[in-house]
Amino acid sequence: GIQVEQSPPDLILQEGANSTLRCNFSDSVNNLQWFHQNPWGQLINLFYIPSGTKQNGRLSATTVATERYSLLYISSSQTTDSGVYFCAVDKNNFNKFYFGSGTKLNVKP
Amino acid sequence: NAGVMQNPRHLVRRRGQEARLRCSPMKGHSHVYWYRQLPEEGLKFMVYLQKENIIDESGMPKERFSAEFPKEGPSILRIQQVVRGDSAAYFCASSPLGTAQKLFFGSGTQLSVL
Repeated sequence: GIQVEQSPPDLILQEGANSTLRCNFSDSVNNLQWFHQNPWGQLINLFYIPSGTKQNGRLSATTVATERYSLLYISSSQTTDSGVYFCAVDKNNFNKFYFGSGTKLNVKP
Repeated sequence: NAGVMQNPRHLVRRRGQEARLRCSPMKGHSHVYWYRQLPEEGLKFMVYLQKENIIDESGMPKERFSAEFPKEGPSILRIQQVVRGDSAAYFCASSPLGTAQKLFFGSGTQLSVL
């Protein structure tokens, strides 16, 4: 399978701060998605981003497929951003995803 | 448009009992995926189903685990003779097509084996 490494594993921010989360993967992929798992365990799809850059409000993501990494940017963080952020990749477009271990984010008021 | 619905939300079983987890995909979605999440870990793929067909079960343990997605009704993940190591969160996801799509997950079923 594909190895997916996320960094940092843990991150503590003061409300209003910016952050960058990184996802490295070991093989070429056709699909990459970022998810947010909130403290209640619910998984929210943030971005479908196999390549390029996308923005959604305070969040943006960039995937450089040729160099096998993706970045998730969070600007002006809020306490509701707390939770675990997962990167997931799929090599063959069949939605069989390999997940990283996640970045656990804690935003303090 | 309701999202992916999973029930029960929490399930407690004693060792040796059977666990049945249900998943109703989003309206119009005919592709269902099951993933398992152990504590403090990312999700791991278990099985991919279409109506009445198992497409990829490469992530399913060879024994005690089975999945189905009948023509009518929800998809079922069945675990027979549960053991403590089966305790985990089980997530279901659906998509309208089998190819690269944004994946939508249900809220999960937390299985606890006593």
